[in-house]
Amino acid sequence: KAGVTQTPRYLIKTRGQQVTLSCSPISGHRSVSWYQQTPGQGLQFLFEYFSETQRNKGNFPGRFSGRQFSNSRSEMNVSTLELGDSALYLCASSTDGGQSGSPLHFGNGTRLTVT
Amino acid sequence: DAKTTQPPSMDCAEGRAANLPCNHSTISGNEYVYWYRQIHSQGPQYIIHGLKNNETNEMASLIITEDRKSSTLILPHATLRDTAVYYCIVRPMGGSNYKLTFGKGTLLTVNP
Repeated sequence: KAGVTQTPRYLIKTRGQQVTLSCSPISGHRSVSWYQQTPGQGLQFLFEYFSETQRNKGNFPGRFSGRQFSNSRSEMNVSTLELGDSALYLCASSTDGGQSGSPLHFGNGTRLTVT
Repeated sequence: DAKTTQPPSMDCAEGRAANLPCNHSTISGNEYVYWYRQIHSQGPQYIIHGLKNNETNEMASLIITEDRKSSTLILPHATLRDTAVYYCIVRPMGGSNYKLTFGKGTLLTVNP
C-alpha cells in the first residue's frame, strides 16, 4: 500500500506570495490532518479534514486554509507569506481521525522556505 | 492527555537490541501508547501502538508494564538506519488523535 504522498517536496517563495501544498492520503483513509513543524515550536496542528469537511482547526491565522476533495486528497494554502512561515509542512492520514485508536501516518512533508 | 517522559538520548551498537523506555505514570485506562520516530528532514514514521497488551510487528515490539505506567519500545536488531528521534505519545481511545503533540523524544544513535 502506498504511503502518504506530499508534493512538492521543496518550495522557495518570496514574502507576500501564496503557496498551495498537496497531500494524497493512504488509500481508504478519510481523515487528513496538516501540521507545521519548526525547530523552535515543534509540531503544531493546523487543521483536520474528514469526508471533505473541516472537523478541527488549530490556532493559526486565517492566511492558512485547506480543503479536502471527494477522493480524500487534500490541499493546504498559505496566502501572503511571511518569513515565519518557513517550516516543514506535514500531512497525516488515518482511517477515521483516531476515533478507534487508529494511528496517524505522516508523509515526508513539504519544506517551505520564505525569503 | 497523559504526559510522557523519555531520556533525551541513547546509544546502541549495530546488531544489538535497542530498548527505549517511556514513563507515562498518569495514563488513563482508555489511553493508547503510540510510538513514532523521525529521521532528520523526514516526516514522523508510525512504529507501533498498544493499549495494555504487549504488541509486536515487523518493525518493533512494545512492552507495556502491568500497571501501564511505563512502556519500552524494542528494536530487536538495530541498524544504522534506525538512528532517529523516537517519540512516545499517549492518546485516548475514542478521542480524535488528529492533534498529536510530540515531546522532545529520545535521540537514538546506532553506532557501527
